[in-house]
Amino acid sequence: GAGVSQSPSNKVTEKGKDVELRCDPISGHTALYWYRQSLGQGLEFLIYFQGNSAPDKSGLPSDRFSAERTGGSVSTLTIQRTQQEDSAVYLCASSLGTTGNTIYFGEGSWLTVV
Amino acid sequence: KQEVTQIPAALSVPEGENLVLNCSFTDSAIYNLQWFRQDPGKGLTSLLLIQSSQREQTSGRLNASLDKSSGRSTLYIAASQPGDSATYLCAVIAAGNKLTFGGGTRVLVKP
Repeated sequence: GAGVSQSPSNKVTEKGKDVELRCDPISGHTALYWYRQSLGQGLEFLIYFQGNSAPDKSGLPSDRFSAERTGGSVSTLTIQRTQQEDSAVYLCASSLGTTGNTIYFGEGSWLTVV
Repeated sequence: KQEVTQIPAALSVPEGENLVLNCSFTDSAIYNLQWFRQDPGKGLTSLLLIQSSQREQTSGRLNASLDKSSGRSTLYIAASQPGDSATYLCAVIAAGNKLTFGGGTRVLVKP
């Protein structure tokens, strides 16, 4: 597609349930990022994938969060046993990978845990 | 640890005035700096990317400058329009290829 695509765009889930958020990066982009933006807060780094290298998971807030990237393209962010504080918009971004390239963001997945 | 600050947090101007948005960062060892726009309920739209070796970038009414040694970037928007109302975010990219974001400046352009 022309841009970074994320799904679902909105998700309401009950506390304790697992959720999966999907990101389809721009074709040919080797770098993929996940960020989180809570209401009224700044953007918080979660995880970064670059090609076939081991991902940088240093931003994942707890072991309930995990992400994978299959075939160097689509990525899935999984949150297990969701808590109310997980409510946020989860933003995915991609770039050509080498430094100096523009990073493009998707529209985000808005997660509400009730 | 890199810290990025944007001041002011909010700005209101009448239509037609020029906008000046400031971004400062604590560690000058950056690869590049990117300015984004975020509309309510939307994702981030890239506006300008400045490489660390560059002093400025221009696109239409937008001009961004970078002074790496002093840890500052400024985004200028000429002849503001109501459609420029949004939150503007700057982000620096350093070793590890991660973006570190400022808190944003929320802009309102009044008709």
